Amino acid sequence: AQKVTQAQTEISVVEKEDVTLDCVYETRDTTYYLFWYKQPPSGELVFLIRRNSFDEQNEISGRYSWNFQKSTSSFNFTITASQVVDSAVYFCALSRYSGNTPLVFGKGTRLSVIA
Amino acid sequence: EAGVTQFPSHSVIEKGQTVTLRCDPISGHDNLYWYRRVMGKEIKFLLHFVKESKQDESGMPNNRFLAERTGGTYSTLKVQPAELEDSGVYFCASSQQGDLDTDTQYFGPGTRLTVL
Repeated sequence: AQKVTQAQTEISVVEKEDVTLDCVYETRDTTYYLFWYKQPPSGELVFLIRRNSFDEQNEISGRYSWNFQKSTSSFNFTITASQVVDSAVYFCALSRYSGNTPLVFGKGTRLSVIA
Repeated sequence: EAGVTQFPSHSVIEKGQTVTLRCDPISGHDNLYWYRRVMGKEIKFLLHFVKESKQDESGMPNNRFLAERTGGTYSTLKVQPAELEDSGVYFCASSQQGDLDTDTQYFGPGTRLTVL
């Protein structure tokens, strides 16, 4: 069975601090996909990134970066120089084989960035 | 390009009543998914359509839930009769059918259902 654990329920940081959101996953599949979604106060889930199990390269997009380590089954998300607009709930998710299979979500981490 | 839209945004009904949620996927997306988040829990998969066919409905909680996607465009999710435990946020997502770089699921804003 697949499982995603986001151990941090809530995190609060002061603006401009760096923050890392943890994601640990469990799967017996050799081919799988990992995702991060952001849920701002408006409610929709906004896609941030996907990574397949064969690509362990880290990714950087502006202030966002992701660290995928198969050895520890982790896919952590770091926001550098956080801003108030980063305040949201962040979800890590896992799917088998492709993106067109059901996503298994973690419980989410609520990030509050204080000015 | 319009994103996934859902209607209504909120619905408050009494136990035993019927509610129908609607989802319009991104134009051209053959795959449509329903998920649900009950308070304090994970977002859980309900079912997956490919065009008008149900590909996977393993997450549907019971036969009080009926999903349809006539014509392979928009989808409806009916709850009849609603129970208190059905309260939560119902999300719809859609994705393209194609190579593995295009099958990311894009989500709508959700419908918040409250059963009193």
